[in-house]
Amino acid sequence: QVQLVQSGAEVRKPGASVKVSCKASGYTFTRYAVHWVRQAPGQRLEWMGWINAGNGDTKYSQKFQGRVTITRDTSATTVYMELNSLRSEDTAVFYCARPQSVLNGMDVWGQGTTVTVSS
Amino acid sequence: DIQMTQSPSTLSASVGDRVTITCRASQSISTWLAWYQQKPGTAPKLLIYKASSLQSGVPSRFSGSGSGTEFTLTISSLQPADFATYYCQQYNTYPWTFGQGTKVEIK
Repeated sequence: QVQLVQSGAEVRKPGASVKVSCKASGYTFTRYAVHWVRQAPGQRLEWMGWINAGNGDTKYSQKFQGRVTITRDTSATTVYMELNSLRSEDTAVFYCARPQSVLNGMDVWGQGTTVTVSS
Repeated sequence: DIQMTQSPSTLSASVGDRVTITCRASQSISTWLAWYQQKPGTAPKLLIYKASSLQSGVPSRFSGSGSGTEFTLTISSLQPADFATYYCQQYNTYPWTFGQGTKVEIK
């Protein structure tokens, strides 16, 4: 079945970086985009950016521009999200998600990865 | 950025009730709107896309309507599995943005 499986929880100190992985299976990896969404405790969902898994093109939210990098490894059918210069406000659950098409919402989600930023 | 505002923020209802949640966009998004259901500790689940299209496998008691700046999600007869938080999301313009959520609680 179509699924996205994310890497496990991470703890980082302020100023550090974190790289979260999202392994895709059950579909042709290069035919779909993968998006990243953040959810801080008790907060609304927040879109971070996306990658075209076929050609590697990316687009980021201005809020995270300069701190976030989304990459993919087609041989491993895995997308990565790296967030730099972490601060306590980045403590959140990070989700990867895949839209069915440009016309649809995000129908397949990873299970989420909790990133805790604490000194 | 397009601001998405949901109302109410919390809703208390009983099993069998008809429930309506409203989502307003700060500018027109045509029908590029999705609705998600999220339960504690789990990822969001897509219910509705393109404002009114029911995602495959989602019960028909869920329906969506609207266009432009005003949208609604309706649950025709609330079931125990429906107690959750609901989010709207626009995908007309980057950055995609979400509403603040509506928590549907047991009355």
